Amino acid sequence: NAGVTQTPKFRILKIGQSMTLQCAQDMNHNYMYWYRQDPGMGLKLIYYSVGAGITDKGEVPNGYNVSRSTTEDFPLRLELAAPSQTSVYFCASSYSSNSYEQYFGPGTRLTVT
Amino acid sequence: GQNIDQPTEMTATEGAIVQINCTYQTSGFNGLFWYQQHAGEAPTFLSYNVLDGLEEKGRFSSFLSRSKGYSYLLLKELQMKDSASYLCAVRDQDYQLIWGAGTKLIIKP
Repeated sequence: NAGVTQTPKFRILKIGQSMTLQCAQDMNHNYMYWYRQDPGMGLKLIYYSVGAGITDKGEVPNGYNVSRSTTEDFPLRLELAAPSQTSVYFCASSYSSNSYEQYFGPGTRLTVT
Repeated sequence: GQNIDQPTEMTATEGAIVQINCTYQTSGFNGLFWYQQHAGEAPTFLSYNVLDGLEEKGRFSSFLSRSKGYSYLLLKELQMKDSASYLCAVRDQDYQLIWGAGTKLIIKP
C-alpha cells in the first residue's frame, strides 16, 4: 500500500494564481482531511470529507475549495492565491471519525509571492 | 474557545527520561492523541488516551487526567532519533482534532 500520497511536494505561486493540490489514499478510508501547518502553529483543519460526495468546512476554509468524487481522491483547490496561504499542506485519512489514528501524506510546501 | 498548550521547546540528554506536558480546554472530549513529527516530515501517530491513566507502549508512555484537562508524554531511554516535534491533539465533541503547536525536543549526546 502506498498509503496517502500528495502532489506536488513543492510549489511556488504568484499572487492571484490558482492551483490544485492532489491527495489520494489506497486504504479504502471513508474520512479524508486537509490541514495547513504554519511555522510554530498547530495543524488547522481546512476541509474534511466523510465519504464520496460529502464535504464540510473545517476551521479555516476561506480561499479553498474541495471535492470528493471518489473514495480515493480528495483534491484541494486554491483560487486567487494570497501570501497568507503560504504554508505546508497535509492531507490525512482515517477509517472513521472514531478511529485511533489519522494517516498523513508527506505534505506540500506552498509559497505564494 | 478551544485551546491546547504545550511547551515550545525542551532539551534532554541521550539515555535520559523526558516528560512533555499538554493542557487542554476544548468543547467536549473524545480522546487525546500524541503524534511525532520529524523536521520536514508528516506527523505519525504515537498514542491515544480516552480514559484516565497511563498507557505504555515500549519506551513511550502517555498519561491522561480528564478532570484536570492534562496529559503528558513520557519518553524513556532517549535516543538521538527521538529529536522531533511532539504534537498533542484532542478530539472534540464534533470528532474534529484540535492541535497544539507542538513541542520541539532536542536531544544532546
